[in-house]
Amino acid sequence: DQQVKQNSPSLSVQEGRISILNCDYTNSMFDYFLWYKKYPAEGPTFLISISSIKDKNEDGRFTVFLNKSAKHLSLHIVPSQPGDSAVYFCAASAMGAAGLGQFYFGTGTSLTVIP
Amino acid sequence: KAGVTQTPRYLIKTRGQQVTLSCSPISGHRSVSWYQQTPGQGLQFLFEYFSETQRNKGNFPGRFSGRQFSNSRSEMNVSTLELGDSALYLCASSFRGGDEQFFGPGTRLTVL
Repeated sequence: DQQVKQNSPSLSVQEGRISILNCDYTNSMFDYFLWYKKYPAEGPTFLISISSIKDKNEDGRFTVFLNKSAKHLSLHIVPSQPGDSAVYFCAASAMGAAGLGQFYFGTGTSLTVIP
Repeated sequence: KAGVTQTPRYLIKTRGQQVTLSCSPISGHRSVSWYQQTPGQGLQFLFEYFSETQRNKGNFPGRFSGRQFSNSRSEMNVSTLELGDSALYLCASSFRGGDEQFFGPGTRLTVL
C-alpha cells in the first residue's frame, strides 16, 4: 500500500524554466514532508522540508508547497539548471505519532533539464 | 564531519545464502534506518533502530533482520536470499529519528 505517490515517473524541462514535481499522500497523520534528490550511484541527499503547520517553504531556487486538504505537495525549482537533473523523491512521516522515525517514500520522479 | 558509510558497496550472492550489510552513521546520530530500493518501487522502509532498539519495522519478511550497536553502527542481515532481494540497500542516519535523514551511498546486492 503506497501511502506516498509520485505519479509522474519522469519530467523534462528546458534550462531556465520552472520544474514542478508533484507528490500525493493518503495518510492524514503525516505532518512532516521532505524532498530528496538522488544522482546515480549515490544515496539520496536532503533538499528541503516542510511541516504541516506551514503551506510553503523556500530555500533558494527550491520551494515546497503543501496543500493539506488535498493531501498534496509540490516542489518548484526556478530557474531549472542542468545540474538539477536527478531523481527526486518525496517522503512523509508522522512525527507526532508512534511512527516517529519511519518515513514513507514515493517512487521518485526523474527530472531532466535540457540545456 | 564524516558522512554515512556503508560496506560493502557491491555484493554478489547466490540464492539461499545469507548476507550482512554494515552501516556507520554520522557521529552523534542515534537513529539508523534501512531502506530497500528497487526499480519502480521507490524506497521501501525496512526498519529503524534508535539507541540499540528497533523502534519501527516495515512490511518485510522475517528473513530481514538488523541490529544496532552501542556506538550506533548498524548491521542488516538477510537470510535465505531470493532473486527478488536484488536491490540497492540504503542506510540513513539522523539525530533523533523523524528529522532530516542523511543517506549513505548504498550497497548494491545482486542475487544470482
